[in-house]
Amino acid sequence: GAVVSQHPSWVICKSGTSVKIECRSLDFQATTMFWYRQFPKQSLMLMATSNEGSKATYEQGVEKDKFLINHASLTLSTLTVTSAHPEDSSFYICSARDPLGLAGGAGTDTQYFGPGTRLTVL
Amino acid sequence: GQNIDQPTEMTATEGAIVQINCTYQTSGFNGLFWYQQHAGEAPTFLSYNVLDGLEEKGRFSSFLSRSKGYSYLLLKELQMKDSASYLCAVEYGNKLVFGAGTILRVKS
Repeated sequence: GAVVSQHPSWVICKSGTSVKIECRSLDFQATTMFWYRQFPKQSLMLMATSNEGSKATYEQGVEKDKFLINHASLTLSTLTVTSAHPEDSSFYICSARDPLGLAGGAGTDTQYFGPGTRLTVL
Repeated sequence: GQNIDQPTEMTATEGAIVQINCTYQTSGFNGLFWYQQHAGEAPTFLSYNVLDGLEEKGRFSSFLSRSKGYSYLLLKELQMKDSASYLCAVEYGNKLVFGAGTILRVKS
């Protein structure tokens, strides 16, 4: 249980284009999903908290107009990197919280991570 | 800020035991997670501690002292596949704050 998928797993795009990344919880409903960014040899940095049916909460320094988040259902959140630039190249990872602790057996509120999306902007 | 400190790198021998320490700011603490991350992959859940004491799960155990702001991950009977980065993450409110990770190298 507690499987989170991400699509695509990698993407290469030209500077100025937009890229959409999907995050799905496959065997549980997640009212809250999180988007992280990880640069090489660094730890995960939280970008935003995605709440189903409401606006995302962005961390300080993260541009909400550049990183658009939509959480339209209990199993899907999307991150769109708009007008991507080379400095946006990174490993983007989503996680989903299992509020009832049913899927993974690790207790409530454990975050389960997707496999990540490697974005390269040329 | 919520400084989460863990060693940058550790090396251990196959079959041995290794302990990875983590210290954190106690104010606002809600729980502590350990994740394993192989290069280029997403983190996978290892353990969760919210009360003081030791949680054992197979070859992996995790300890927490809330008053000291201290946790450790203990890996027994090390295998080559345990070579990875180990991330200590503390839950403050609804958010997880990650340490920089400890790169563990297991040698034969």
